[in-house]
Amino acid sequence: KQEVTQIPAALSVPEGENLVLNCSFTDSAIYNLQWFRQDPGKGLTSLLLIQSSQREQTSGRLNASLDKSSGRSTLYIAASQPGDSATYLCAVLGAQKLVFGQGTRLTINP
Amino acid sequence: GAVVSQHPSWVICKSGTSVKIECRSLDFQATTMFWYRQFPKQSLMLMATSNEGSKATYEQGVEKDKFLINHASLTLSTLTVTSAHPEDSSFYICSAEGQGGVGCFGQGTRLTVV
Repeated sequence: KQEVTQIPAALSVPEGENLVLNCSFTDSAIYNLQWFRQDPGKGLTSLLLIQSSQREQTSGRLNASLDKSSGRSTLYIAASQPGDSATYLCAVLGAQKLVFGQGTRLTINP
Repeated sequence: GAVVSQHPSWVICKSGTSVKIECRSLDFQATTMFWYRQFPKQSLMLMATSNEGSKATYEQGVEKDKFLINHASLTLSTLTVTSAHPEDSSFYICSAEGQGGVGCFGQGTRLTVV
């Protein structure tokens, strides 16, 4: 059974800092890994999608890496802004279903 | 912890038929439910947001007459794909959110239309 764990559960940093969110999964047989953002009361917004054959994806200030063999992914956010405050979720797609981590609640303080 | 059950986990149907997918919050009241779909090698995309007792809000490009969403109670939302065609084959996932929390997700439904 695939299990996805995100660390830390919550993170609060001053504006401007670079930060890393971590995601680990137990079963390396995945099709892809995705990072999402969720604002309170809103649905998910897809940030980055990494196929199982890829090692990283970049979009603006975001960079996500994938090490499938070790079951790890990181989401790097550069020069954080208050608008980055949200919950970030990673999810892995296996043969049957999408398994999400519980999320990291990120707060960027002005 | 909060649990969301989605049923069925997979379904194969003939072109032209309708398919209903259920999303239940098992141990909390879900004031809002979200429906997503994911095509192969693409990211998860929000289809619609539904609040209990009111009409769903559909994202741009999603046909509301084709994807019927009912959220009649605080624990159940259904998505009906009407007159399904092969291009509707996708992975559908719901999430349910209670008061003040991050959404909990169903296991997803893989729909194959043949």
